[in-house]
Amino acid sequence: SQQGEEDPQALSIQEGENATMNCSYKTSINNLQWYRQNSGRGLVHLILIRSNEREKHSGRLRVTLDTSKKSSSLLITASRAADTASYFCATANAGGTSYGKLTFGQGTILTVHP
Amino acid sequence: GAVVSQHPSWVICKSGTSVKIECRSLDFQATTMFWYRQFPKQSLMLMATSNEGSKATYEQGVEKDKFLINHASLTLSTLTVTSAHPEDSSFYICSARKIGTSSYNEQFFGPGTRLTVL
Repeated sequence: SQQGEEDPQALSIQEGENATMNCSYKTSINNLQWYRQNSGRGLVHLILIRSNEREKHSGRLRVTLDTSKKSSSLLITASRAADTASYFCATANAGGTSYGKLTFGQGTILTVHP
Repeated sequence: GAVVSQHPSWVICKSGTSVKIECRSLDFQATTMFWYRQFPKQSLMLMATSNEGSKATYEQGVEKDKFLINHASLTLSTLTVTSAHPEDSSFYICSARKIGTSSYNEQFFGPGTRLTVL
């Protein structure tokens, strides 16, 4: 297993439904970030949650963090076809030689059908 | 805003040639830029961390003589793939962190460069 594993690998839903993606990690983190990537494009930062936070909201996005379980979830409410993309979690390690670096999960491919 | 551009957006080259990819932060200064590569349907793998005015730090397994990184200014980092081979074909993405911000802050990503080596 690698840092930042995500499930499901692929998620297909109808417009208006909610989409939930999960991410697990292994090391101590300073924060966990979620990014979105449209096909063949760069990444767009969605939200950052620090290790001392449990939940954060941004528009239709809700992120939770459980440091005891080393896991996070991203919930997109009332999904739209335009939300179709790959979603990655990335952990910023707490220190050591990986200071400040991001380790990305494998990603979840979300398809929202109109 | 925090816009990062990459040039070119795609490039096709012959095996054995060298290719240079530019990464620019357009509306902010960045002391640190990162270079990633991404294979189809896979995640991003960090290749190296580029610091302005100093040598880049490469991740384990990444050949520094093959992937030359230069970060000559606070807004520009370049990645040169030397003597490219078909296995170097990939999507290369750079990111930048705003100067003066915590090393734990979010990174701003470029749109990526698709490299195809024939």
